[in-house]
Amino acid sequence: DQQVKQNSPSLSVQEGRISILNCDYTNSMFDYFLWYKKYPAEGPTFLISISSIKDKNEDGRFTVFLNKSAKHLSLHIVPSQPGDSAVYFCAASADAGGTSYGKLTFGQGTILTVHP
Amino acid sequence: DTGVSQDPRHKITKRGQNVTFRCDPISEHNRLYWYRQTLGQGPEFLTYFQNEAQLEKSRLLSDRFSAERPKGSFSTLEIQRTEQGDSAMYLCASSLNHLYGYTFGSGTRLTVV
Repeated sequence: DQQVKQNSPSLSVQEGRISILNCDYTNSMFDYFLWYKKYPAEGPTFLISISSIKDKNEDGRFTVFLNKSAKHLSLHIVPSQPGDSAVYFCAASADAGGTSYGKLTFGQGTILTVHP
Repeated sequence: DTGVSQDPRHKITKRGQNVTFRCDPISEHNRLYWYRQTLGQGPEFLTYFQNEAQLEKSRLLSDRFSAERPKGSFSTLEIQRTEQGDSAMYLCASSLNHLYGYTFGSGTRLTVV
């Protein structure tokens, strides 16, 4: 039962262009969403998050969009840089009221390659 | 603050042996989590501690797995009678409160041969 899905295993983008990574979820109880970046042999590094009460959150080159009705979120990276090449995971938490203690459910990841 | 530290970084063991991993969270974080990541998948939740109390365990955590967090500081994850299917990256994370400051360690890669 894959509650968080990243249907694109990989994405290749030219430096300076926009990278759009997509994520779909099925559990309507999810109320907080996060994006992580992971390099080989390292743990995931937090990038950006969004609460379900918002539909957009921006942090520098990174913007996350949330469409609750479609149960879909996306991460936009503009402009993309070669150093952004990594595996990107979206994660979700159903933690309203603190009942799930911050347990994260992850997607399978998307490998982003940014070409110079 | 040196981040979340995990030891060892790599472990190769023979099937049937017991292994133990250690996680040192960020010092002021009272919440600690263990995840497992296999090739091509995202991390999967295993268990959660708030201070020294283990408050949630995944069905993935079979009877061969046990985790402890004595005194609410570092945590250990032990796998008894390892199987080849246990080969994975074991990740530890800690947070201060709810999802604030949720930080992962670099993981321990286990290979069972």
